[in-house]
Amino acid sequence: KQEVTQIPAALSVPEGENLVLNCSFTDSAIYNLQWFRQDPGKGLTSLLLIQSSQREQTSGRLNASLDKSSGRSTLYIAASQPGDSATYLCAVRGNDMRFGAGTRLTVKP
Amino acid sequence: NAGVTQTPKFQVLKTGQSMTLQCAQDMNHEYMSWYRQDPGMGLRLIHYSVGAGITDQGEVPNGYNVSRSTTEDFPLRLLSAAPSQTSVYFCASSPGLAQETQYFGPGTRLLVL
Repeated sequence: KQEVTQIPAALSVPEGENLVLNCSFTDSAIYNLQWFRQDPGKGLTSLLLIQSSQREQTSGRLNASLDKSSGRSTLYIAASQPGDSATYLCAVRGNDMRFGAGTRLTVKP
Repeated sequence: NAGVTQTPKFQVLKTGQSMTLQCAQDMNHEYMSWYRQDPGMGLRLIHYSVGAGITDQGEVPNGYNVSRSTTEDFPLRLLSAAPSQTSVYFCASSPGLAQETQYFGPGTRLLVL
């Protein structure tokens, strides 16, 4: 059974810092890995999708990497802003889709 | 293009009542799914469908029924609500099963007393 873990559970940083969020998974037989953002009381917004054959994807200040063999992904956020404050979820897609519990990020002005 | 829509936004039920959570998408996506999100936990898959007329169970299907009579709609039925079903429910869709980005609805917050 696929298990997805996100560390840390919460993170607070001052504005302008670069930061890394971690996601690990136990079964490397995946189709893809997706990073989502969730604002309080809202649905999920897809940030980046990495196919199993890819190593990384970039969108603006966000960069996600995937190391399938070690079961790890990282989401790198450059020059963080208060508007980046949200919960970040990773999800791996194998036979079904499994989510981590998320990292709650607070960026202080 | 409304994307994925869910109704209602919020619902209170008494134990034993039944209800249907509605989900619709206007993107002609084949794959649709229902998740529940509980505090401190990730989303867990309840049921999914790979196309009209085809449904399958996810990780936590007990107490829920689904059907998929059209490509657009994927309702989730609670047969006899229990307090353990208090949660936030999300519907999602994607063009295909394996390689595609999933798009999520805004969620339905359900409280069972």
